[in-house]
Formats: sequence, C-alpha cells, structure tokens
Amino acid sequence: SQQGEEDPQALSIQEGENATMNCSYKTSINNLQWYRQNSGRGLVHLILIRSNEREKHSGRLRVTLDTSKKSSSLLITASRAADTASYFCATARWTIKAAGNKLTFGGGTRVLVKP
Amino acid sequence: GAGVSQTPSNKVTEKGKYVELRCDPISGHTALYWYRQSLGQGPEFLIYFQGTGAADDSGLPNDRFFAVRPEGSVSTLKIQRTERGDSAVYLCASSQTIAMDTGELFFGEGSRLTVL
Repeated sequence: SQQGEEDPQALSIQEGENATMNCSYKTSINNLQWYRQNSGRGLVHLILIRSNEREKHSGRLRVTLDTSKKSSSLLITASRAADTASYFCATARWTIKAAGNKLTFGGGTRVLVKP
Repeated sequence: GAGVSQTPSNKVTEKGKYVELRCDPISGHTALYWYRQSLGQGPEFLIYFQGTGAADDSGLPNDRFFAVRPEGSVSTLKIQRTERGDSAVYLCASSQTIAMDTGELFFGEGSRLTVL
C-alpha cells in the first residue's frame, strides 16, 4: 500500500520557474525522503529530512516537513529542462521486528520543465 | 561493485513460467529492498532484508513470490507460475545503515518483466 500521496500528480512549468510539490502521509515516521526518477531509470536519492527537522536545503532543493499535518513539500528553484523527471516522496518507519527502516513510496509527481 | 546491479535488465516470459530476478547490492550494505513499479505508479514495497533474513515480507502479493538472500549479499526474487499481472519493473535497492535516523536507498536500474 502507498503511504505517501503526492500532489499534484503532474506539473508543467517554464525553465527558470520554481516547482513545488507536496506529499501527505498517514502514520508516524522517522524520516521522509525525496527521490527523483528519469524515464526508464532507477530512483536517485535527493534529500532526507528527519522527523525532528522542519526544513532542509540542498543546492536548488528545499524540503519542509510538518509532522503535525503529516505533510512535506519539495521546492525546486530556478528549474532547468534537465529537472524533467518524476519525483517521489518516501516515508521511513522504524519497525522493531525488522530492526530497520521500511520505506514506503507515494505515487509521484511528474514534472515537465519546458525550455 | 560501484552501484546496485540487477539482472536481467529485461525478461520476457510466457504465462505460467518460473522467473528469477537477481540483485547485487553495494558491497557492505546490510539492508536490501525489493519494490515493484508499474507504469506511471510509484514503487510498491515487496520485501526487505536485514542481513540474510527477511525482516519484512508484508508486501509480497501472494505465495507465488519468494525472495532469498542466503549470504547477506546477493538476493534473488523468485516468481512462480507467472501471470500477466506480474508484468512490471522490479527494483532493488540497498542501504548501508540500520540506524533509526538514516535509510537512504541506492537503487538499481531495475528488471523489466513482461509476461505474455
């Protein structure tokens, strides 16, 4: 089952504009991660934000986390055509039985950046 | 190796056949995950290994699916009596740590399974 739900499902913007996508989830988490997937390729980790953090930056990426609302957002600033990809949030839950983090992915946001 | 390696990259089989998909994780990574991804969807969790044991196999859809990791490194996902609905990209990922506040996954390129 999908833990996270991304919104919007698809996003089309012009190069240079900012792209914002949101992720909502249902249960408590230890951390939330964002991944990128180019068409036909594997997923690449972008950024991880822990449950006790509210905001994190990495280059042109900004991630926020609101655990009270069980939601996160990913902002890509000054987008480029090469940012065209699908973006997924994944929630990590620690389970004692597994002694590790189970990561569950959302359905993704497909971003098209037009040159 | 430098990254997670999955073989075969493409597999076409007939309904009812048996299929094995292999994953070679990054050396030293103790955690290994299998996901299934259909077109336009997010990865769907199948099974998670911590070392040699299946720590969480709650995502396996039915008893036709089985996975092993006998020496804590390479893993094989086995699908018996394949059905057309099994067609998807099967993704493998590995992770270095088991600490509560980490868990970045490194993904392979996937094995695309087509059941005719």
